[in-house]
Amino acid sequence: KAGVTQTPRYLIKTRGQQVTLSCSPISGHRSVSWYQQTPGQGLQFLFEYFSETQRNKGNFPGRFSGRQFSNSRSEMNVSTLELGDSALYLCASSFGEMNTEAFFGQGTRLTVV
Amino acid sequence: GENVEQHPSTLSVQEGDSAVIKCTYSDSASNYFPWYKQELGKRPQLIIDIRSNVGEKKDQRIAVTLNKTAKHFSLHITETQPEDSAVYFCAARGNYQLIWGAGTKLIIKP
Repeated sequence: KAGVTQTPRYLIKTRGQQVTLSCSPISGHRSVSWYQQTPGQGLQFLFEYFSETQRNKGNFPGRFSGRQFSNSRSEMNVSTLELGDSALYLCASSFGEMNTEAFFGQGTRLTVV
Repeated sequence: GENVEQHPSTLSVQEGDSAVIKCTYSDSASNYFPWYKQELGKRPQLIIDIRSNVGEKKDQRIAVTLNKTAKHFSLHITETQPEDSAVYFCAARGNYQLIWGAGTKLIIKP
């Protein structure tokens, strides 16, 4: 079956602009989580959605937001981009139950200039 | 808040030797502990996981041990090979959210 798909793969934006990233989970998965990964850094949790509801949120400013649609596809939005937002943004999907594997997408590499 | 500490941040071992990565978690309600491997330029992928009702789990050269009393779990890789070179992340799941360790860069020396 198809894996987790993230679009676009690469993105270059200017400071102050906004950006929307998309994540299509594995069919049947209802949970989507978003992470920010900077070079040499770990996985910084942004938020998790389950059945269109935000279930958890990490310690990121309000410029970072997300949503999930009825088909479980998710989008995250970053407004008023800053240079420090340059990173690899990963999404991961799972069935949503407590102890199930999270499958990651290839990520979207965002560069802010 | 809940956190997971992972050590060491970098581990260099001779090919054929064993590697051990340790994680400590703070949330006593955590009951699921996966380990992910991220090769350079690739996405993280699950390599092994353990649930709180089990103390140890093995899969070929990889094993994970869990000590719930001490709230720590470890990844053991035996007979390391060049393809084991990667960043390894541990995580602990409490209420829905996976809490991640900072990662360990494993270097296999020929």
